[in-house]
Amino acid sequence: GDSVTQMEGPVTLSEEAFLTINCTYTATGYPSLFWYVQYPGEGLQLLLKATKADDKGSNKGFEATYRKETTSFHLEKGSVQVSDSAVYFCALVFTGGGNKLTFGTGTQLKVEL
Amino acid sequence: EPEVTQTPSHQVTQMGQEVILRCVPISNHLYFYWYRQILGQKVEFLVSFYNNEISEKSEIFDDQFSVERPDGSNFTLKIRSTKLEDSAMYFCASRGTVFGTEAFFGQGTRLTVV
Repeated sequence: GDSVTQMEGPVTLSEEAFLTINCTYTATGYPSLFWYVQYPGEGLQLLLKATKADDKGSNKGFEATYRKETTSFHLEKGSVQVSDSAVYFCALVFTGGGNKLTFGTGTQLKVEL
Repeated sequence: EPEVTQTPSHQVTQMGQEVILRCVPISNHLYFYWYRQILGQKVEFLVSFYNNEISEKSEIFDDQFSVERPDGSNFTLKIRSTKLEDSAMYFCASRGTVFGTEAFFGQGTRLTVV
């Protein structure tokens, strides 16, 4: 079945460091890909998405590119802030029908001063 | 900004007891979901609901689970006889249209079965 694999956390970085959180997927067909973020005490929020190969999703300085050849959707940010500390979830969905999301395990990011 | 609201934020229950987790989806949304996350594990799909019936469910969603939209605004998940392994964070989500891919999530209910 479809699955998403994320790098394990926690990831601890200093403020202004470069962030990469790896995400790869296994799916039959070409899903849409997402990054969701969960800040402490809050629900899951959509961070960015890409719906087809080579699309780049971006939001709040975060970026991820849909790579069909490597089945990856790695999340990157050039300079993280303490306020970026959260849990990040990679997910896929097939458009149409029930649109259920398949999530990775989540990666906790801690950014320190 | 419209949001999905879940209550309670934390529920502690004895094994074997029934629990009802409540969600108020975004009004005018048509598709509703429950997901759960056992501590340290993946967020897992439980069930989707459309047009007053279940459209898809996972193998986790056995006879102990049921969902309802009793009054056109609430969306509930009932666990009839809780087990220790039901302890998890439960997320409700809603989506507006057939082809809209973004789901909006609530903040979750942490269920602890003791």
